Amino acid sequence: EPEVTQTPSHQVTQMGQEVILRCVPISNHLYFYWYRQILGQKVEFLVSFYNNEISEKSEIFDDQFSVERPDGSNFTLKIRSTKLEDSAMYFCASNTWTDNEQFFGPGTRLTVL
Amino acid sequence: GENVEQHPSTLSVQEGDSAVIKCTYSDSASNYFPWYKQELGKGPQLIIDIRSNVGEKKDQRIAVTLNKTAKHFSLHITETQPEDSAVYFCAASKYSGGGADGLTFGKGTHLIIQP
Repeated sequence: EPEVTQTPSHQVTQMGQEVILRCVPISNHLYFYWYRQILGQKVEFLVSFYNNEISEKSEIFDDQFSVERPDGSNFTLKIRSTKLEDSAMYFCASNTWTDNEQFFGPGTRLTVL
Repeated sequence: GENVEQHPSTLSVQEGDSAVIKCTYSDSASNYFPWYKQELGKGPQLIIDIRSNVGEKKDQRIAVTLNKTAKHFSLHITETQPEDSAVYFCAASKYSGGGADGLTFGKGTHLIIQP
């Protein structure tokens, strides 16, 4: 069964450093998303992406964040200068044109020290 | 923006009993309501969803009901089993028949099935 994959599973970084989280969505999916989940809290929407541009973004997704689809398979989330409060689990998701069911990846745990 | 409230935060039931989790939403334009199950260390997995033109949907032991007037929807799990133990999240979005609509999640319910 096709699935969304994410790398790395755990990323540890120093405050102020840049990080790039990587996702490979399901191959025939056209819509891509990033969500985050701070430990013990709810999943929060960050951004959605379609046709090589951002479709929607939340208030959390400020100028420190950017997304990119650098090739035909990867979808990345970049945090330019990490802060302690960026520590969270980051989930990538994707869905097809005709179905709003979003398939989630296993997540990347980001720890900012 | 949309706000989704979910109750209870923790639910403990005896194996074989039923479990009910309730959510309310604020934006009357929301029309798509999925439920996700999250096991420890994994990403959320869709278990059932409902659109606003339907009042109830069933899939084996799982059912979801929607009351558009009251803006609330519920997840019902019957004949609970140990493998049902997990965190369950409700969510809401505006689905436009294809589109990158972000989901607004509730805070989650930790369901514990007691043997």
